[in-house]
Amino acid sequence: ETGVTQSPTHLIKTRGQQVTLRCSSQSGHNTVSWYQQALGQGPQFIFQYYREEENGRGNFPPRFSGLQFPNYSSELNVNALELDDSALYLCASSLSVDEETQYFGPGTRLLVL
Amino acid sequence: SQQGEEDPQALSIQEGENATMNCSYKTSINNLQWYRQNSGRGLVHLILIRSNEREKHSGRLRVTLDTSKKSSSLLITASRAADTASYFCATPPFSGGYNKLIFGAGTRLAVHP
Repeated sequence: ETGVTQSPTHLIKTRGQQVTLRCSSQSGHNTVSWYQQALGQGPQFIFQYYREEENGRGNFPPRFSGLQFPNYSSELNVNALELDDSALYLCASSLSVDEETQYFGPGTRLLVL
Repeated sequence: SQQGEEDPQALSIQEGENATMNCSYKTSINNLQWYRQNSGRGLVHLILIRSNEREKHSGRLRVTLDTSKKSSSLLITASRAADTASYFCATPPFSGGYNKLIFGAGTRLAVHP
């Protein structure tokens, strides 16, 4: 166990809906990164939050947005869901932005119908 | 886009045999990391090798890095059924952002009793 938790574990939505995924980082970690992993693929970096500010973004459209709270937990929001958004969403926390090692949560599996 | 490409895509061996997975990458790196993922759940950090290192060991794992060929290999010795998982190599952007990882597509390892 890494100490990183995510909720919910599974979620089913329909196209056009909005979804919020949650991540609780490991104690003392101020940096959270989000990844999308499509079936059979490696994870792709969505964005990172450091001390409540976005600190870098991958090649994802603006309908993917996030938040980080003062306790360093984080949310990933996806608006106007598309079928291709079906994936495993992983969050990872690290002690700081300079830390090379990050710890992944178990993920949220999202299915968009 | 994916930085690393693992080879083979899938590997099936018997318990006790060694498993070798390869990773090739495209750009200069600061470090290269290997992760394991069981049954499409969270990723577990296995080992990190820096660009100035050529070989690193951790228990039954041996990682090599050849920066001239832009490649790395992960060797698991004396494989066990519990090693059955997907294995990914990942690198941070050379320009910075140690924990904004770029993953390959992974090697799916099956170890049969």
